[in-house]
Parts: sequence; C-alpha cells; structure tokens
Amino acid sequence: GAGVSQSPSNKVTEKGKDVELRCDPISGHTALYWYRQSLGQGLEFLIYFQGNSAPDKSGLPSDRFSAERTGGSVSTLTIQRTQQEDSAVYLCASSQYTDTQYFGPGTRLTVL
Amino acid sequence: DAKTTQPPSMDCAEGRAANLPCNHSTISGNEYVYWYRQIHSQGPQYIIHGLKNNETNEMASLIITEDRKSSTLILPHATLRDTAVYYCIVRRYTGANSKLTFGKGITLSVRP
Repeated sequence: GAGVSQSPSNKVTEKGKDVELRCDPISGHTALYWYRQSLGQGLEFLIYFQGNSAPDKSGLPSDRFSAERTGGSVSTLTIQRTQQEDSAVYLCASSQYTDTQYFGPGTRLTVL
Repeated sequence: DAKTTQPPSMDCAEGRAANLPCNHSTISGNEYVYWYRQIHSQGPQYIIHGLKNNETNEMASLIITEDRKSSTLILPHATLRDTAVYYCIVRRYTGANSKLTFGKGITLSVRP
C-alpha cells in the first residue's frame, strides 16, 4: 500500500520567508510525528499528534514553528520567518496508535 | 527512554553476515528494542523490533540477550544496498508520547 508521502521534496527559500511542509500519513494511522535532521546530525523530535488528543509540542525549537493536522489525516508544518539554522531535512512518520513508525522521504529545506 | 550505545562504524564483505551490536544496559521491563536504518538521503526505514524473544523477518534477525542489556541485529547476507546508518532505539510501546529518540547510530559499509 501507499506509504507516507511528503511535499515538496526540496524547498529553497530566503531568510525571513514563511514555509509550509506537507505530510500525508499512511491511511488509517492515528499518530503522526514530525522530526528534523540537520546535516550530519541525528533525528530530532519536533511534534506528535495522536488522534483527537492535544499534540505534544515539546520538541518545537521556537514559536516560529507550528503544525496542524486536519481531519486526523494530512499535517502541515509551518516555519515562520525562516532562519539559516532551520535548514535541515524535515521528516514525517505515522503509526497506528503507538505501534511501529513509518517514515516518509523527507523535505529538504534550504534557507539562503 | 533508555539510552543505547553503538560503535560508530563497521564494515563487512558482500554476501557475509553483518552483526551489528547495541548496548542498552538501563533498559526497563516495558521497553522494546527497535532497529531502523537510514540509507543516504532517504527517510529512516523500519527493520525489526523485539521485547525479549529473538525475532526474525524478511530483512533481519534480532538477538536479545537474556538479561536484555544488549542486542545484535543480524543481516544474514549483506549486499551493497545495505550500506546505511543503523539505529538501535529503546522505546516504550505504550504511553502518551511514543517518539523515537535517535542516537548517532552505526555506519555499516558493505564492501564488494
């Protein structure tokens, strides 16, 4: 079946601009996660959605970062007033409840 | 979640078994051992997980010691496509926050 998809695959933006990254989870998966991976670094947790529960935002690095999940399916990660240190690969994963997480291919964000 | 320790790198010859070790000496009774891998420029790929019994699937085998303080991921016949960073992660299966905490992983290089 279809896996997790993310769009765009690559995004180049100028410092100070806002960007939106999209994640389509596996159909029926109740949980959705966002992570990011800076060059040569490990994965860093950002935010977690589980069903209708309040999201766990404990990993968001600043208030410039926000995410929403509409209708329990698609999620959008928004970064406002992008900075060069926001450059990274942003990865989305989904799971059925707290079961195994399956990752998408990621969005490579470059802030000039 | 318990911390894991992996060697930074290892290599093996194509066609031979690759045995990737992981120490998790502070693992608790309700924590599972998960393995993911990340091939260059791709999202992490789930491989296998287990609690205390050895597990095998089409990709690999997972051997967990009786005291659960360490484990070994076995790729029985490594191919060049198995060259990747392999992450050993210890994670609670249930709970409000089931994010994965990735360390630096072990870089496996499969040589021809």
